[in-house]
Order: sequence, then structure tokens, then C-alpha cells
Amino acid sequence: RKEVEQDPGPFNVPEGATVAFNCTYSNSASQSFFWYRQDCRKEPKLLMSVYSSGNEDGRFTAQLNRASQYISLLIRDSKLSDSATYLCVVNPNMYSGGGADGLTFGKGTHLIIQP
Amino acid sequence: DTAVSQTPKYLVTQMGNDKSIKCEQNLGHDTMYWYKQDSKKFLKIMFSYNNKELIINETVPNRFSPKSPDKAHLNLHINSLELGDSAVYFCASSQGPGLAGSYEQYFGPGTRLTVT
Repeated sequence: RKEVEQDPGPFNVPEGATVAFNCTYSNSASQSFFWYRQDCRKEPKLLMSVYSSGNEDGRFTAQLNRASQYISLLIRDSKLSDSATYLCVVNPNMYSGGGADGLTFGKGTHLIIQP
Repeated sequence: DTAVSQTPKYLVTQMGNDKSIKCEQNLGHDTMYWYKQDSKKFLKIMFSYNNKELIINETVPNRFSPKSPDKAHLNLHINSLELGDSAVYFCASSQGPGLAGSYEQYFGPGTRLTVT
């Protein structure tokens, strides 16, 4: 089983629609969870951290289900500028525990917002 | 101001050569990383340094050698380059532990390495 799994898409969504992605992770000891965004030929950038209680940032809502080991991202009122690859990211906390752990990335979900 | 910078941005070289990629962060972070993103866009951790000390060394050929002269710099030297080394290499840094223990990482713009 892969460590972090995502549906690669592409998801073709009309502008203004709501779109949701899920991702599952295999390491139940994982401590921290994130969604990163990566535009074509650019570096990944942190979109939002995912907290156990769920969190919202503008049009974006992230949720974590530790029991089922999945993370979700919801985008409301999607914009053309939301077109990107969304990476589900987990910090396995396997090493020092002092924040030096490399992140484990899913392969990303490609989102295309259509006008 | 660029938070995490890498040089060069593009690197085209022949098999068998030795090359280095440099990374610098001006965020005052304690931890730096190297990631490799292959042609299938899969991003994978290679190395992690915390205050100049190697923390993570994933299964990477020993032709790859990271060097951290100080905590603001983490360079990657690659010996005897092979075709399969062609990829985008990203440097990243983090404060660790970050806000609310979240360990956010900030990535450099990447170095696109092509081995011919």
C-alpha cells in the first residue's frame, strides 16, 4: 500500500463549482498533515495545514479523519486561478521528531477549472 | 526577497560528469531538505539536515552527497551523473517544530537537471 494515495485526476470543473479531493495515508503514527499546491513547472507551496478539528481558510476547507486515515480538501466557488496540482502531504514523524522530518507527498490531484 | 533560493535553475550535462546544486535560505530556519521530483511528478525526500547535522538519508545512491557549511546553506553534489538522475531537485527549509507543531516547509524554485 502506498504511503499517501490520491486520485490523480484530472478533475475538470466549471468555474464557480465546488470541488472536493480526498487522500488516504498508511502510517497511523503520522503527526502532521498538509495540502500543498504546485503550479506547472513551479515549486510546491503550502496551501494549508490540516488540523484534527478541521479548518477553513476562505474558500478552502480541510478536514482530517484519523480513524479512517484520510484527509480532504474542499474548494468552494472555484476560480480559474485554482487550476493546479494539489498535493496531499503527511509528516510521518519517523525520525528526530524535532521537525527535521521529510514530508511524504502524494502524487497529487490535477485540477482544471474551466471558464 | 527570495526565501529559499537555488542555483542553477537549469543544468544540462553529460553522463559521467560531476555537478553541484546550491541552496540558501534566509528565513533563519534550522532544517533544510533536498527532494527529487521525477518525470512522473512524484516528489520524494532525499536528505534532511538539522543545524548542519544529517538527519535523514533516504535510499539514495552514494553518488549524491549533501554538504551543509552552515545552517543557511545545503548544497547537493552529484558524482558520475546518470541518465536516471534527470529530474527536478527542490531544496526546502523549515523551522521545525513549526506553528502548532506543523513543520511547514518552504521550497526553493527547483533545479531542472537534464543528463544527456
